[in-house]
Amino acid sequence: DAGITQSPRHKVTETGTPVTLRCHQTENHRYMYWYRQDPGHGLRLIHYSYGVKDTDKGEVSDGYSVSRSKTEDFLLTLESATSSQTSVYFCAISERSGRDEKLFFGSGTQLSVL
Amino acid sequence: AQSVTQLGSHVSVSEGALVLLRCNYSSSVPPYLFWYVQYPNQGLQLLLKYTSAATLVKGINGFEAEFKKSETSFHLTKPSAHMSDAAEYFCAVSGHDFQKLVFGTGTRLLVSP
Repeated sequence: DAGITQSPRHKVTETGTPVTLRCHQTENHRYMYWYRQDPGHGLRLIHYSYGVKDTDKGEVSDGYSVSRSKTEDFLLTLESATSSQTSVYFCAISERSGRDEKLFFGSGTQLSVL
Repeated sequence: AQSVTQLGSHVSVSEGALVLLRCNYSSSVPPYLFWYVQYPNQGLQLLLKYTSAATLVKGINGFEAEFKKSETSFHLTKPSAHMSDAAEYFCAVSGHDFQKLVFGTGTRLLVSP
């Protein structure tokens, strides 16, 4: 267990409303990631962070923003949710030991946009 | 750029039978290759990874995978399936830039008694 907590675990919202998902880690890892998982697409990277206030876009970043004001928290915001953003969202951290690196995932947030 | 193709969205085996999940990759640089497993309502867990050392990689729960450069493949195998192996399995590839990890679309393994 890499000490990753995602909140909320489930969220139902309406089209056009803002939504923020939170990822919290307890082990001070530098890299954090947000993925979305959809049937037939596997996991796709939305955004990632390599330090406080340091973020970069992934493969499917349109419609999403992120913030990282503290090492332990990485927030994903949907400014105006759309039905195409209905998905399961996973946060991950990477744990590095020398040249070895592993990703650890949270339990996911199921988001439904109606 | 990297990509992976997982052949078969569903694979069914009987308990005790060989498990073979197929993954082919494309990479413009020497790849790092990974297999992850996802149990229902959980995040992904790392099964094993290839990082240019031994071509036969052993992972957790009796799984192993062999890197074959000539075939651009990294198939996952287990000699004898157990009911608890039923899950979804994802192959993934990255270059040295680990932040660009690319996942396949997944293969759901079904194990029947």
